[in-house]
Amino acid sequence: QLQLQESGPGLVKPSETLSLTCTVSGGSISSSSYYWGWIRQPPGKGLEWIGSIYYSGSTYYNPSLKSRVTISVDTSKNQFSLKLSSVTAADTAVYYCARQVEQLGPQNFDYWGQGTLVTVSS
Amino acid sequence: QSVLTQPPSVSGAPGQRVTISCTGSSSNIGAGYDVHWYQQLPGTAPKLLIYGNSNRPSGVPDRFSGSKSGTSASLAITGLQAEDEADYYCQSYDSSLSGLYVFGTGTKVTVL
Repeated sequence: QLQLQESGPGLVKPSETLSLTCTVSGGSISSSSYYWGWIRQPPGKGLEWIGSIYYSGSTYYNPSLKSRVTISVDTSKNQFSLKLSSVTAADTAVYYCARQVEQLGPQNFDYWGQGTLVTVSS
Repeated sequence: QSVLTQPPSVSGAPGQRVTISCTGSSSNIGAGYDVHWYQQLPGTAPKLLIYGNSNRPSGVPDRFSGSKSGTSASLAITGLQAEDEADYYCQSYDSSLSGLYVFGTGTKVTVL
């Protein structure tokens, strides 16, 4: 059974960089059938796609966040990571990592991590 | 400010049928891109409910069904059960600069 687990600091100061890692178990991140994505959800609000990465390193980013986002992959560790720079209180959210099906391009998210709350505060 | 609009809430009695609409535009659903649906139970991660407009992953009850027409899509829940009380989100691809992989605004389903 595929499992994804987010890890990283739960508290980040304003203007600093948020860094999270997603560890994949029960399957290979190097599969050609999937992308790997990050989605966030501010408290009490809806879902927002942040970006996705293929095992080769090819990335797609949300245009509204692109200038601040970097997603990378480490196939040797079966992990992928998110960095979001210059954070503000508006970046406070539960951050989810998820597997995204590849079929003529990234499609739906079929497996999700449990999510991790990141609070931006001094 | 999502490009996919859903009603904030729908409700129904146990056993009833409810539908949730997902309204898009010519740059997403209307352009032929697939719609997917997720169920988010309170305090948990979203779970894939419908993919490719109308397909159910293994383990999802056939009480859940999806359809798409024009610039909109719908999720129907028949035989509503107490355990269906959750938030539901549609998701698609948008070819404008609105976000690429976009989620709907979300709908809270309440079982009366």
